[in-house]
Amino acid sequence: SQELEQSPQSLIVQEGKNLTINCTSSKTLYGLYWYKQKYGEGLIFLMMLQKGGEEKSHEKITAKLDEKKQQSSLHITASQPSHAGIYLCGAEGNAGGISYGKLTFGQGTILTVHP
Amino acid sequence: NAGVTQTPKFQVLKTGQSMTLQCAQDMNHNSMYWYRQDPGMGLRLIYYSASEGTTDKGEVPNGYNVSRLNKREFSLRLESAAPSQTSVYFCASSRGARAVQETQYFGPGTRLLVL
Repeated sequence: SQELEQSPQSLIVQEGKNLTINCTSSKTLYGLYWYKQKYGEGLIFLMMLQKGGEEKSHEKITAKLDEKKQQSSLHITASQPSHAGIYLCGAEGNAGGISYGKLTFGQGTILTVHP
Repeated sequence: NAGVTQTPKFQVLKTGQSMTLQCAQDMNHNSMYWYRQDPGMGLRLIYYSASEGTTDKGEVPNGYNVSRLNKREFSLRLESAAPSQTSVYFCASSRGARAVQETQYFGPGTRLLVL
């Protein structure tokens, strides 16, 4: 089965600093999702990557999928307190066949941003 | 347009009691999912429903049952709650049913404590 490892497990930064969260897979990634979760709330979809080398940005958050499609990174530029929360990566279980969107998730990265 | 809604938000049960978690979506999605989230373990899929009338086991189905009542609603039942089922439960939906790499949209979660 697909396993996803996120690093770091937690991160504390000062407002304005840049940061990167990584998501590494034991198998080739065919659909990699990034979600953000605030404490006590549901998951908010950020971005989805499919192609090797793909990069997407939304406001100050950029996500990349490496060429070999086994690692993704999420980069936040000039972090703000509003970026604080838990970031989770999720991936499709398999490429061939029909997976019905079943996702495997990493354990999450807890981000704290100090003003 | 409420997206994915879940009830209740919080619940405390005694060991052996039963309860049903309700989930509804108003996005006309075909696929629906139940996950549990535990500290340090990310989200794990309990059951999913690729389309109305079908349900399948996910990664951790033991101790749970589900019902896809109609296209909108997908309920999760704990017949005899155990302390190991203390968790935060999330319902999600996606357009589905035969497409891969589709975004899942999550509800706000139900926090369950089993004493």
